[in-house]
Amino acid sequence: TQLLEQSPQFLSIQEGENLTVYCNSSSVFSSLQWYRQEPGEGPVLLVTVVTGGEVKKLKRLTFQFGDARKDSSLHITAAQPGDTGLYLCAGPHPMKTSYDKVIFGPGTSLSVIP
Amino acid sequence: NAGVTQTPKFQVLKTGQSMTLQCAQDMNHEYMSWYRQDPGMGLRLIHYSVGAGITDQGEVPNGYNVSRSTTEDFPLRLLSAAPSQTSVYFCASSPGSNYGYTFGSGTRLTVV
Repeated sequence: TQLLEQSPQFLSIQEGENLTVYCNSSSVFSSLQWYRQEPGEGPVLLVTVVTGGEVKKLKRLTFQFGDARKDSSLHITAAQPGDTGLYLCAGPHPMKTSYDKVIFGPGTSLSVIP
Repeated sequence: NAGVTQTPKFQVLKTGQSMTLQCAQDMNHEYMSWYRQDPGMGLRLIHYSVGAGITDQGEVPNGYNVSRSTTEDFPLRLLSAAPSQTSVYFCASSPGSNYGYTFGSGTRLTVV
C-alpha cells in the first residue's frame, strides 16, 4: 500500500480542455510537492504547498493543498501539447522518525492531443 | 550552474558484476537521495543522506550501498547486480525535505 495515491493513472485529452489530477493519502503531510517528468528526463519541481487550504498558481496550472493536509490537486486550464508528461506528487514521510525520507506517488500520465 | 550530475547515462551489466553510479551536485544542498523508477511504480527511495557522513535506508535498500564523504558527492554502489535491479536510477538533492528536489537526468541500467 502506497502512502500517496494518484488518480487518474492515465489521462488523454484534446488540446484546449481543462483537467484535474489528484494526490491523496490517509496520512497528514507537512507539505506536498508536484513534479512533471518528460520521457528520458528527471522530474522537475513545479511547486511546493505547505499550508492547509493553500492555493498556488503557475501560469495555467493551479495547485491546491487540502485543508487537512491529506490531499492535493493540480488543475490545468486550456491544456497544451507541452503539458504532456508524468505528473508526480511527493512529500516528506508522515512519520516523525522518517520525516527526512521524501516519498512519491505513482504518478498520472497525461497526454494532450493537438 | 550544473545542478545534479549523474554518470553514466547508460550501463549494461552482467549478473553478479558490481558498479558505482556517480552523483554530484554543486548547489551546497545537505539532502541527497537515490531513487529507482520502474514502470507503474513511480519513484522508490533507495538510500538518502541528510549531510556529509550521514546516510540511511529508504524503501528498497537491499543490494545497494551508499556513502557521503563530502556534501557534493553521493555515489550508489551495486554490490552484485541482479536482473531485478534493471531500472532507471535518479539522484536528487535538496536544501531540506520540505523544499523539493532537483533531479539529475538519470542512469538507465540493464542487468543481463
